[in-house]
Amino acid sequence: DSGVTQTPKHLITATGQRVTLRCSPRSGDLSVYWYQQSLDQGLQFLIQYYNGEERAKGNILERFSAQQFPDLHSELNLSSLELGDSALYFCASSVEQGETQYFGPGTRLLVL
Amino acid sequence: GESVGLHLPTLSVQEGDNSIINCAYSNSASDYFIWYKQESGKGPQFIIDIRSNMDKRQGQRVTVLLNKTVKHLSLQIAATQPGDSAVYFCAEIPRLYNFNKFYFGSGTKLNVKP
Repeated sequence: DSGVTQTPKHLITATGQRVTLRCSPRSGDLSVYWYQQSLDQGLQFLIQYYNGEERAKGNILERFSAQQFPDLHSELNLSSLELGDSALYFCASSVEQGETQYFGPGTRLLVL
Repeated sequence: GESVGLHLPTLSVQEGDNSIINCAYSNSASDYFIWYKQESGKGPQFIIDIRSNMDKRQGQRVTVLLNKTVKHLSLQIAATQPGDSAVYFCAEIPRLYNFNKFYFGSGTKLNVKP
């Protein structure tokens, strides 16, 4: 158990819908990262937050957004969902930027 | 673009043998590297890390070697066990800006045969 929690574990929705994925980092970790992992693909970095502020963006679509709250938990919002958005979404946290990232168990999203 | 990749997509070894998983990186300015293990249906799990001021680092049954000259990283697993079967990713972390250049490769799948 990494100490990072993600909810929900599984999510099934329809195209065009909007979903919110939640992540609670390890106690004391200030940095949160979001990744997308499609079938048989590597981890694609989406976005990073540090102590409530956005610090880096990767290959994140405009339909996706995220935020980190004062209590340091983070949410990833996915809107106007498409079939191709079906994937595993992982959250990771680290004490500081550039330090070892500890991953949560992921949320498996299926868009029908 | 800059990326972290893996030479072998699949590696099959016999239980008890040693395993070597390789990784090439392209950003010579990177100074921190991590190996992760991902079991089916689970999130990546930290295995071992190494900083660029080191050539070798050992953990429990695992050793990471870093060759900065050829920008090559390897993970050695001693006495491989069935529980080691998983996908292994290397990751490169630049100390400076551009954390969006923190890439994972597609991974190497390790199959341990009993």
